[in-house]
Amino acid sequence: AQSVSQHNHHVILSEAASLELGCNYSYGGTVNLFWYVQYPGQHLQLLLKYFSGDPLVKGIKGFEAEFIKSKFSFNLRKPSVQWSDTAEYFCAVSGTGANNLFFGTGTRLTVIP
Amino acid sequence: GAGVSQSPRYKVTKRGQDVALRCDPISGHVSLYWYRQALGQGPEFLTYFNYEAQQDKSGLPNDRFSAERPEGSISTLTIQRTEQRDSAMYRCASSHSSYNSPLHFGNGTRLTVT
Repeated sequence: AQSVSQHNHHVILSEAASLELGCNYSYGGTVNLFWYVQYPGQHLQLLLKYFSGDPLVKGIKGFEAEFIKSKFSFNLRKPSVQWSDTAEYFCAVSGTGANNLFFGTGTRLTVIP
Repeated sequence: GAGVSQSPRYKVTKRGQDVALRCDPISGHVSLYWYRQALGQGPEFLTYFNYEAQQDKSGLPNDRFSAERPEGSISTLTIQRTEQRDSAMYRCASSHSSYNSPLHFGNGTRLTVT
């Protein structure tokens, strides 16, 4: 069965600190991988996606993620966080060619100015 | 352009009542998805449509839940005889195509069953 694990429930960082949020998935087949972000009071927005090709993908606002197939992981990184990155981050997976997503439970990021 | 629009934004209803939640997708988007998100959890897939055809309803928790998209645009998620455990955020999303196309989410409807 498909599942997505996000091990960090709440992460607190100071501005300029580096960020890495873990995501591991279980899925029977080839996958598409996503990170979505939800800023306070807003809807879920796509941060970045991996369909195929270069396993290091770059998204908006300086975020990037690396697909490591052997580890079933798709960790999200940012070298230097800002206060405005305070949000909830969701990792998601779908089967290749499918669109319906399976989400992790989310990681709440709080950045302290 | 306009994003995915959901209404109402908040709905409070008494146990046993029926509710209808509406989703207006981005114009021209082929696929429409419904998700439910309980507090502290990620969104959970309920069902999705390509045009007016319901392609997958495997995530609907029981037969009190149904969805339709009769003209391939606006969709309604109906919950009959609501129960307290139905309280959650209900999220709608649409995508440009049915294949490898990112989902665009609406703001959701917060349903509270008292």
